[in-house]
Formats: sequence, structure tokens, C-alpha cells
Amino acid sequence: AQSVAQPEDQVNVAEGNPLTVKCTYSVSGNPYLFWYVQYPNRGLQFLLKYITGDNLVKGSYGFEAEFNKSQTSFHLKKPSALVSDSALYFCAVILDRGSTLGRLYFGRGTQLTVWP
Amino acid sequence: DAGVIQSPRHEVTEMGQEVTLRCKPISGHNSLFWYRQTMMRGLELLIYFNNNVPIDDSGMPEDRFSAKMPNASFSTLKIQPSEPRDSAVYFCASSLVGGTNTGELFFGEGSRLTVL
Repeated sequence: AQSVAQPEDQVNVAEGNPLTVKCTYSVSGNPYLFWYVQYPNRGLQFLLKYITGDNLVKGSYGFEAEFNKSQTSFHLKKPSALVSDSALYFCAVILDRGSTLGRLYFGRGTQLTVWP
Repeated sequence: DAGVIQSPRHEVTEMGQEVTLRCKPISGHNSLFWYRQTMMRGLELLIYFNNNVPIDDSGMPEDRFSAKMPNASFSTLKIQPSEPRDSAVYFCASSLVGGTNTGELFFGEGSRLTVL
């Protein structure tokens, strides 16, 4: 069965430090991988996606993620964290098969807190 | 585009009452998803429509839950009768699926349901 795991419920970093939010996946076939962010009392917002091509994907707000097929990981990173990055981050995966395209499997989310 | 529009944003009701949540997807999108978010269970996919047809309703908790999509611009999620354990934030999301599209979801702001 396909799934995605976020091993950390919470990540705390100081402003200006680099941040990493971890995600691993388990799918058969070629995965499409996504990161979404949720601010308090808001819906999820798309950050970035990996479909094919370069393993390093750049997205909104200075975030990037690295696809690592051998480690089945898709960690979200940012070189210098901002207090305003504090939010709930979700990793998600779908297969590239047409019948399930669009059906996202979400991780449980990681709460990122950036301290001033 | 106005994005995915959900109503109501907040609903407080008493156990046993009927609840109807509404969603207007982004114009031109052909897939619509209903998710439920709770602290305990995270994000759960309840049902998924493609071209107004329900494709997968395996996530619908029980017969008290029903969803319809009478046309491409409107969907409802109904709970009858409601129970306190249905208290959650319900999200609607839409997507353009097929061809070269990669299934990126666009979420509404959610409907926060409290059943007393």
C-alpha cells in the first residue's frame, strides 16, 4: 500500500537557522510528491512538487525539497528560517497512474515553530 | 479566480441535527475531494468525485455521511444525524486531473463543525 510518513510531529528552529522537515514515502511505481503548508484556521496551500527531472525542487517562500529515490525521501528545506514560516507542513504522495491521479495520500503533518 | 469556496465557515449544532456543508470548486477543475481534519486522525479523505461522479467513497465513516455533486460547480457533504464525534474541520479541494496535469489540489478554507 502506498503511504507517506512524517517522522517528526514537531520541529523547532531559531530564526535564521536552516530548517528541515522530513518525509519518507512508500509507493510502487513512480511517485508524485508534494508539500503543503497550513497556517492556523486556513486551508492547505501548495508549496512545491516533484514529478520528474531534477531531484532538487524549488517552491514558494524560499522552500525547496530534495527527492532521494534510494532513501525514498522528500525532505523539505529552507536555508534561513523565518518566524512567519511557523505552520503545519504536510507531505503528500500520489502515483502517476491515471486512475488514481489526484488522489493524494497525506502524512500526519509536522508542526514547525521558528523562534525569534 | 476566487479559489475553492466553502460554506459555512463555522457551524455549531446539537447532536441529532442534520448538517450540510457546501463547496464550490475552482471553475474548470474536474475533480473534487472532501477531507476531514482532526487532531487525532489528521487529514482523512472522505470521498472523491471526478467529472461529478463519485469515484471513491471508502473514506466515508458511515451511512450518516453522504455527498453529492449535482453539477461541476457545486458539491454538498451531509451528516444526518450528527454526533459529537463528527466535530472536525471539513475541507473541500479541487483539482484538474488528466493529460499533463499532475493533480495539484487547491483547498478551501474549511468548515469547522462543532456538534454539542
